[in-house]
Order: sequence, then structure tokens, then C-alpha cells
Amino acid sequence: DIQMTQSPSTLSASVGDRVTITCRASQSISSWLAWYQQRPGKAPKLLIYKASSLQSGVPSRFSGSGSGTEFTLTISSLQPDDFATYFCHHYTSYFGAFGQGTKVEVK
Amino acid sequence: QLQVEESGPGLVKPPETLSLSCTVSGDSITTSGYYWGWVRQPPGKGLEWIGSVYHSGSTYYNASFKSRVSISVDTSKSQFYMNLKSVTATDTAVYYCARLLADLRAFDIWGRGTMVTVSS
Repeated sequence: DIQMTQSPSTLSASVGDRVTITCRASQSISSWLAWYQQRPGKAPKLLIYKASSLQSGVPSRFSGSGSGTEFTLTISSLQPDDFATYFCHHYTSYFGAFGQGTKVEVK
Repeated sequence: QLQVEESGPGLVKPPETLSLSCTVSGDSITTSGYYWGWVRQPPGKGLEWIGSVYHSGSTYYNASFKSRVSISVDTSKSQFYMNLKSVTATDTAVYYCARLLADLRAFDIWGRGTMVTVSS
């Protein structure tokens, strides 16, 4: 099975910072990668699909890049609402796997 | 606006079967390209895909659950279901149902989640 590994596990940052989270797949997954944001006590929210496509309604400060085995989620200027946990996710019709999550906390 | 909502017992005794339902509203459960899935999250931990179902009844499961899980769909009720057999305390989690769009290969609509505790 494909393994998804995120880094770092925790990231301390301040409002206005540029933040980058990495997700690596154990084998090539082309561009089939999504990113979700999860606030405490809430369901995950889709931010990015197909590695770099911004979901409707998601602020443009969020962007995704990468293909193959290495992917990044970037928040260009961190806002107070962005302190949350972020998960990467790969899915095919018969298999799904999430990364372990990256918590973005206040520095 | 499509919505999905989980329902089921909040407490299950080991080694009984955990049964959850998910009701789809605001759009048709039979729309082409919509898959319906279950994801869980143990307290303080990450997300785990359990399995997915298409309106045709085709199912796809996380191998980690081996033969313990079954997912089904009832299009006449706009509902899909999950049964997890022989539960233990490690199955304690928030269980989410969600829509997966085949074109995106991503879960774009999520329920609020339902907390299930496995305890005698």
C-alpha cells in the first residue's frame, strides 16, 4: 500500500508568516493529492485537489504544488483562522490514505 | 446544497457490531461520479479511510479492516451505511461520512461526524 508522510508534525508560526507543509508518497501518485484543513471539533475541509487546484471558496493564500512523490501546501500569509491541522490525502477508486497531519500552532 | 449527516449509537459494547447510517440530502445519491465514503478519527489522532461505496453497490475497503467492515447503499432512502464487526476499544473514534468526487479524487462534502465509544 502507498504510505503518505507529512512533515513537520507541528509547525509554530505567526500571523503573516509564509508556511509550507510537505507530503511525500511512498510511490508515484501522479497529481492525485488533496489537502484538507481541520479545525478542532470540526470536520475536515477540502482546500486543494489534484495537487494544485484550489477548491471553490478557499482563499487564494492557499496553494499546492508537486507531482509524483513530493507535494507541498503553502499558505502565503498566515491568518488567525489558519491555525489548524492540515492533512494530505491520496485516493484511487480502491485505496485511500491520509498523511498523519501537520498542526500549525501559534508561535 | 448537498449535505450528509451521520447517525447511530454513541456507545457500543465490545465485541458487538457498530452500525452507522449516513443520510444524503440536497442532491441525488445516484449522480454519476459521486462516491460515498466513511472516514474515522480516533481521539487526538489522524484521519483513516474506512471504505467507499458507489450507488451501483460497488464497494471499496481499507485492507486494514480486513473482513470486519461492510458498506452498503439504499438509493431509495438516499442513505448509505457502515457496519464494523467485533469492535474493540481501538475502534473508539469520530466517524465521518463524506462525498468523494471521482473527478477530483477528494472528499468535498463532509458530515459533522459522530462520536462512537466502544466500552463495556
